[in-house]
Amino acid sequence: GAGVSQSPSNKVTEKGKDVELRCDPISGHTALYWYRQRLGQGLEFLIYFQGNSAPDKSGLPSDRFSAERTGESVSTLTIQRTQQEDSAVYLCASTLRYFGPGTRLTVL
Amino acid sequence: RKEVEQDPGPFNVPEGATVAFNCTYSNSASQSFFWYRQDCRKEPKLLMSVYSSGNEDGRFTAQLNRASQYISLLIRDSKLSDSATYLCVVINYDKVIFGPGTSLSVIP
Repeated sequence: GAGVSQSPSNKVTEKGKDVELRCDPISGHTALYWYRQRLGQGLEFLIYFQGNSAPDKSGLPSDRFSAERTGESVSTLTIQRTQQEDSAVYLCASTLRYFGPGTRLTVL
Repeated sequence: RKEVEQDPGPFNVPEGATVAFNCTYSNSASQSFFWYRQDCRKEPKLLMSVYSSGNEDGRFTAQLNRASQYISLLIRDSKLSDSATYLCVVINYDKVIFGPGTSLSVIP
C-alpha cells in the first residue's frame, strides 16, 4: 500500500559522522512531522512542514539537526557530527494519521 | 509542569476488564486531542479523536473535559490484543505534543 516510508530502516554510525534520514510521505499530504523516540521514552517533536510555509523548527534539539522538504514531497533529516545521545528511532508522520516505520539510529 | 502528562502505568488488567486512562494538559488554549496506541518497537497508530461530546468506537470511548483540562480513554471488555502503550496527543495551533504514554498489559 501507499503508506509512509522511511529509509534506511536501521543506521549504525560512528560518533562524529553525519547521517541523513529520508521520509517519503503519502502523496498529496501537505503536513509532515519528524519525531524522535529514545528507547523507553515518549515522542519528541523535532520539526513540522506544512505545504510551502516556513517549517516549525522549534523542536530541533541543536544546530546539528536540520531538515528539508521540497514542496510536498520527500523530506530529509540530517544530523551532523552525531553524538551517542542522538541514538533513537526517528519517526516521520504524514499528517497526524500516518506514521512511517521509523529509522533506528545507533551512534557508537 | 509538563505540557501533557500521563500515568506511565503499567496497568495490568485481566481479559474482559474495563480500564480507563487519563491524560492532563497544561495549555487551556489547546484545540485538538487524540489517542494513539503504540505497540512495542512499532510506530504510533491513530486510535481515535477526542471531543467534548465524547467519541465512541466499539469498545473504546474517549472524552474531553475542557474545564479540568484532561482527556480520558475507556476500554471495555479488554482483549489481549489491547496490550500496548496508549499515547495522548494535544495540539496547540501547529504544535503537536505527545504524552509519555500509559502502558497497558491485558492478562489472560
